[in-house]
Amino acid sequence: DTGVSQNPRHKITKRGQNVTFRCDPISEHNRLYWYRQTLGQGPEFLTYFQNEAQLEKSRLLSDRFSAERPKGSFSTLEIQRTEQGDSAMYLCASSLGGAQGNYGYTFGSGTRLTVV
Amino acid sequence: DAKTTQPPSMDCAEGRAANLPCNHSTISGNEYVYWYRQIHSQGPQYIIHGLKNNETNEMASLIITEDRKSSTLILPHATLRDTAVYYCIVRVVNYGQNFVFGPGTRLSVLP
Repeated sequence: DTGVSQNPRHKITKRGQNVTFRCDPISEHNRLYWYRQTLGQGPEFLTYFQNEAQLEKSRLLSDRFSAERPKGSFSTLEIQRTEQGDSAMYLCASSLGGAQGNYGYTFGSGTRLTVV
Repeated sequence: DAKTTQPPSMDCAEGRAANLPCNHSTISGNEYVYWYRQIHSQGPQYIIHGLKNNETNEMASLIITEDRKSSTLILPHATLRDTAVYYCIVRVVNYGQNFVFGPGTRLSVLP
């Protein structure tokens, strides 16, 4: 297993376009998280899945954002009608549940989105 | 989750120990202290966590004061590759499903 994989690494899009990012977690991890990070700030939580169920969503996740994890494996994050303020690094992380999840999350390298 | 306070930046000479402080004076009895780091253009990387005893692993040591109101992450022999932003987070284990990251401490290891 090569860890958490995110694609694409970079995305440039015009304002108003839709974009979709993919995250492939570590295969045995049942929990998956999306974070967003802007320059100079720490990552901000967006949403969280346990298996295929989306259990928590941040206020940051506006109506233009949607995340899915249809089979409890990979996840997608879609942003509709992108705005310049959506420009950020989008990070995905995964973890085990229960006591084994105490050892923190494994993050991917992120997808850097630039909206022009 | 309790709030943490870290210095915005620190320097350390290569080969010396890097001691990164974190204040968490409002920590609750069931909250653990976690440390992550983020090297430029990568996602955060888990380093270590602890409740009240000092902890050590292959990456670092975590020293937690007896009153648990502060902690120190120690990188015993810092290398240039340890240059990163270090985040101290307190969180109740198995309650609440996400880590709340602050701005962290930017550690620069100098040759």
